[in-house]
Amino acid sequence: GQQVMQIPQYQHVQEGEDFTTYCNSSTTLSNIQWYKQRPGGHPVFLIQLVKSGEVKKQKRLTFQFGEAKKNSSLHITATQTTDVGTYFCAGANTDKLIFGTGTRLQVFP
Amino acid sequence: SQTIHQWPATLVQPVGSPLSLECTVEGTSNPNLYWYRQAAGRGLQLLFYSVGIGQISSEVPQNLSASRPQDRQFILSSKKLLLSDSGFYLCAWSVLGRVYRYTFGSGTRLTVV
Repeated sequence: GQQVMQIPQYQHVQEGEDFTTYCNSSTTLSNIQWYKQRPGGHPVFLIQLVKSGEVKKQKRLTFQFGEAKKNSSLHITATQTTDVGTYFCAGANTDKLIFGTGTRLQVFP
Repeated sequence: SQTIHQWPATLVQPVGSPLSLECTVEGTSNPNLYWYRQAAGRGLQLLFYSVGIGQISSEVPQNLSASRPQDRQFILSSKKLLLSDSGFYLCAWSVLGRVYRYTFGSGTRLTVV
């Protein structure tokens, strides 16, 4: 079945450093979504990418969808302690999303 | 606006006891509904999803079952809990017919003792 992998599994950074998580699907995706889950909380939708090569920005966050629509990345510039949490990508498969394995980000002040 | 309610927030149950978790959505009709489980520090495992009343698709063989008795109500059940059923259970809804953004409930943290 379809699999969506993310790397790294964990990332510890000093506040102010940049952070990137990568998402790879075993199959071509119609769209990809990103979610953030704060410690103890539930996943919250961040963004959806649909077009091949699409790049979207939300303040310090930059999201990219690969040309082949099989991979994606999330880059955070100058991390802050509020960025702490687990970031999930999710690929569309017919009527449901397949969530990636997640990247847990820890930011040290 | 649409809201999703999930309860209880936390639950401690003995092994062998039954389970019933409820999820309801307000402000929309004919939603797609989903149950996920998340083990501590792990990813999201899709358990069940439903595209309509009485329509349940199971993703993983297990000790759990799901039902959708009403359009905006989704129930997760077990007749006899196992220790391995412990985890964080999340309900989510999405727009029917599209792979659209998921909105998650606040989750139920289940500990089986």
